[in-house]
Amino acid sequence: NAGVTQTPKFQVLKTGQSMTLQCAQDMNHEYMSWYRQDPGMGLRLIHYSVGAGITDQGEVPNGYNVSRSTTEDFPLRLLSAAPSQTSVYFCASRDRVGYRDEQFFGPGTRLTVL
Amino acid sequence: QQQVKQSPQSLIVQKGGISIINCAYENTAFDYFPWYQQFPGKGPALLIAIRPDVSEKKEGRFTISFNKSAKQFSLHIMDSQPGDSATYFCAAAGNMLTFGGGTRLMVKP
Repeated sequence: NAGVTQTPKFQVLKTGQSMTLQCAQDMNHEYMSWYRQDPGMGLRLIHYSVGAGITDQGEVPNGYNVSRSTTEDFPLRLLSAAPSQTSVYFCASRDRVGYRDEQFFGPGTRLTVL
Repeated sequence: QQQVKQSPQSLIVQKGGISIINCAYENTAFDYFPWYQQFPGKGPALLIAIRPDVSEKKEGRFTISFNKSAKQFSLHIMDSQPGDSATYFCAAAGNMLTFGGGTRLMVKP
């Protein structure tokens, strides 16, 4: 099992550019989510999905779009990049079966917006 | 509005000492309280977790203490080691997982 994979690992964008951060998991988890991590702010939830075709907003959804066409993939789109979106982005999938509840994180994408 | 508040932001402990990190939550609908550990350049990974039907859970050197009436929980790391140096996040879960702001722990040899 590869677990949760994210691409790219690093990205530099100019203000106004758009891009898609890719995320895939091979654990057949229904629940996936995107977080951004900023110093002193912890992990803030951007969007999440409880299954294919179902997405919802988290704490900080503005400027980001998601879709979930398959169980495996959950891409995050930046519509028009802004310097405030400079951050480390983590994708995660969550295993919730019975008493078990564990979230598996990908390695992260470090994004810089100039 | 931060639903999970974590303190301290940073912590320095001598090797062999006890590290204590505290968290408080607001939403009584939360039903699961995990702690995640993150090393530099890596994603967070589950360390230990507790459900509100117990007041304490211990796994090796790591213990969660849970106070439901006060809506607080804490992580205790006994006999702290330099390899424990990492950032620790508490979290509270319902349908979403809400994280605290993180604590950067440094264990000095």
